[in-house]
Amino acid sequence: QKEVEQDPGPLSVPEGAIVSLNCTYSNSAFQYFMWYRQYSRKGPELLMYTYSSGNKEDGRFTAQVDKSSKYISLFIRDSQPSDSATYLCAMRALSGGYNKLIFGAGTRLAVHP
Amino acid sequence: EAGVVQSPRYKIIEKKQPVAFWCNPISGHNTLYWYLQNLGQGPELLIRYENEEAVDDSQLPKDRFSAERLKGVDSTLKIQPAELGDSAVYLCASSSGTSGNTDTQYFGPGTRLTVL
Repeated sequence: QKEVEQDPGPLSVPEGAIVSLNCTYSNSAFQYFMWYRQYSRKGPELLMYTYSSGNKEDGRFTAQVDKSSKYISLFIRDSQPSDSATYLCAMRALSGGYNKLIFGAGTRLAVHP
Repeated sequence: EAGVVQSPRYKIIEKKQPVAFWCNPISGHNTLYWYLQNLGQGPELLIRYENEEAVDDSQLPKDRFSAERLKGVDSTLKIQPAELGDSAVYLCASSSGTSGNTDTQYFGPGTRLTVL
C-alpha cells in the first residue's frame, strides 16, 4: 500500500462547477500538506500548503486537512477552463531532521466551457 | 526572476546509450533536488543536495545513475547505460534551504526521456 493514495481521475466538470479533489494517507507523522498543480509538459507548481489540521482559503481555492481521518481535500470554486491540469497532493513529516516530500499520483482535471 | 532551468527538454536515445540532464536552480537556492516522474505518477525523490553535498541519495540507483553539483550551483544527472524502464520525466527542483522542512520547492519543466 502506498503512503499517499490519490484517485487519478480523470475528472471532467463544466465551467463554474465546484471541484473536490482528495487524498488519503497512512503515515500519522505527516503534518505538512501541500497541493501542487501541474500543467501538461510543465513542472509542478505549489498551489496551497497547510500545516496540521484545519482549513486554508486562497481565492477560489480551499485546502482542508482532517488528520483524524488521514484525509486532505482541495476545493476549487467557480472552476475555469484554465484550471484544467493535474493536481498532486504532497505531504511530509516534521519530526526529526529533513523529511522528504511524498507525492500522490495526481488527479487529472478537465474543465470544459 | 528566472525559474529553475532544465535542458534538454526532450531526449530520445537507444537503450544502453548514456544520457545526461542539466539543471540550473533559482539564484541563491542552496538546496537542489532531482525527481523521477513516471507517467501517471507523482514525482519521486532521487537525490537531494545541500550546496555541493549530496545529503540524501538513498533512492538513486547507483549502478547506473550518478549526479554531481559542482560549486553548489548547477547540477548534472547522468544515466549510463540507459534501460527501457528509464523512460520518464526527470524533474529538477530547488529551494532556499533556510526553512528546513517547510521549504518551498520550485520545479523546473523537466526533461522527458524516451529510451528505445
